[in-house]
Amino acid sequence: AQSVTQLGSHVSVSEGALVLLRCNYSSSVPPYLFWYVQYPNQGLQLLLKYTSAATLVKGINGFEAEFKKSETSFHLTKPSAHMSDAAEYFCAVLPGDTDKLIFGTGTRLQVFP
Amino acid sequence: SQTIHQWPATLVQPVGSPLSLECTVEGTSNPNLYWYRQAAGRGLQLLFYSVGIGQISSEVPQNLSASRPQDRQFILSSKKLLLSDSGFYLCAWSRSTLNQPQHFGDGTRLSIL
Repeated sequence: AQSVTQLGSHVSVSEGALVLLRCNYSSSVPPYLFWYVQYPNQGLQLLLKYTSAATLVKGINGFEAEFKKSETSFHLTKPSAHMSDAAEYFCAVLPGDTDKLIFGTGTRLQVFP
Repeated sequence: SQTIHQWPATLVQPVGSPLSLECTVEGTSNPNLYWYRQAAGRGLQLLFYSVGIGQISSEVPQNLSASRPQDRQFILSSKKLLLSDSGFYLCAWSRSTLNQPQHFGDGTRLSIL
């Protein structure tokens, strides 16, 4: 069965520091992978998506993620954190034979000045 | 461009009262539509999924129901609310072709007293 694991329910970084949010997936077919961001009391916003083209995917707000098949990972990174990046981040996988996204449990990112 | 609207943004209801949350999508035809619930501090739970008018798949047994009376309208209902129905309800849409990302509304915060 397909699944998504996000390591670390909370991540704290200083403003200007590297952001690394981890996501590992399990899929029996080539996956489609997504990262979403959720600000307090708002819906989820699509940050970026991997659809089997380039393995390094660039998204909005300076975020990017790299698909590594050998590690079954799709970690989200940003070189320099900004206070406005504080939010909850969700990794999700589309198994390929269904339209139902499978979400990870989320990682709350805190950014300290 | 496509937009998704959810209302109301917040709702406070007594136990045992009925519920109707509405979601509409603009700028696309025949979308897949989804209702999710997000309990406090937890991930997303898919409640209902629809691929067309009158076609509803229920993902979990519960006190809620969904209907799709028009192509771009999705309604979440209950005849009698329970305390456990409290949460943040999110509507989402995706294109009807496979492997498309979902796009979310701003959500409805439902509190049951």
